[in-house]
Amino acid sequence: EVQLVESGGGLVQPGRSLRLSCAASGFTFDDYAMHWVRQAPGKGLEWVSGISWNSGSIGYGDSVKGRFTISRDNAKNSLHLQMNSLRPEDTALYYCAKDIALVSGSGSYFDYWGQGTLVTVSS
Amino acid sequence: DIQMTQSPSSLSASVGDRVTITCRASQSITNFLNWFQQKPGKAPKLLIYSASSLQSGVPSRFSGSGSGTDFTLTISSLQPEDFATYYCQQTYSPPLTFGGGTKVEIK
Repeated sequence: EVQLVESGGGLVQPGRSLRLSCAASGFTFDDYAMHWVRQAPGKGLEWVSGISWNSGSIGYGDSVKGRFTISRDNAKNSLHLQMNSLRPEDTALYYCAKDIALVSGSGSYFDYWGQGTLVTVSS
Repeated sequence: DIQMTQSPSSLSASVGDRVTITCRASQSITNFLNWFQQKPGKAPKLLIYSASSLQSGVPSRFSGSGSGTDFTLTISSLQPEDFATYYCQQTYSPPLTFGGGTKVEIK
């Protein structure tokens, strides 16, 4: 059974950093691209970042580019999101999602999602 | 960036109704369009991929159509468990943008 379990969320002050993690199990982790998607309270879904199977292809949403860094450790079946210079508008539930392809895009899609970890940016 | 526009943003319907939700892309995305269902407090669930392919385990009352810029999600006969918010997403090119969502409520 595929499982994605996010961790690392919490309350953080504006301007500070936080590192999210996603522990993956139930599938061959290094065969798939992975993503972070967030959802602000009461709002819609926003794609944050994606990374290919070998970290060779990485993309970011416009609102986080230059502040967030996605990475993965295939030996440990884990996905990470380093979030720097956090802003109140980064407050959201952050989901980890599995792609069906090695490299995202051109018809790939997200077939499994975790339950999310909540990040609150406030003074 | 490719903008995804869903309509309507919300709708009220009764059990047994046929429901149609539309999604329009700001440029052609061929058929690289996916649909998700999200219930309160839950993660999104994939319903339809590549515009018209039904994800395994999803009831056949859900169907998708369209190509280029205009897409449709149809629920042929609305069931009580279908009351939720629905999102489209393009995976043609990054950033992989979502539509704003359509909330389907009980009439």
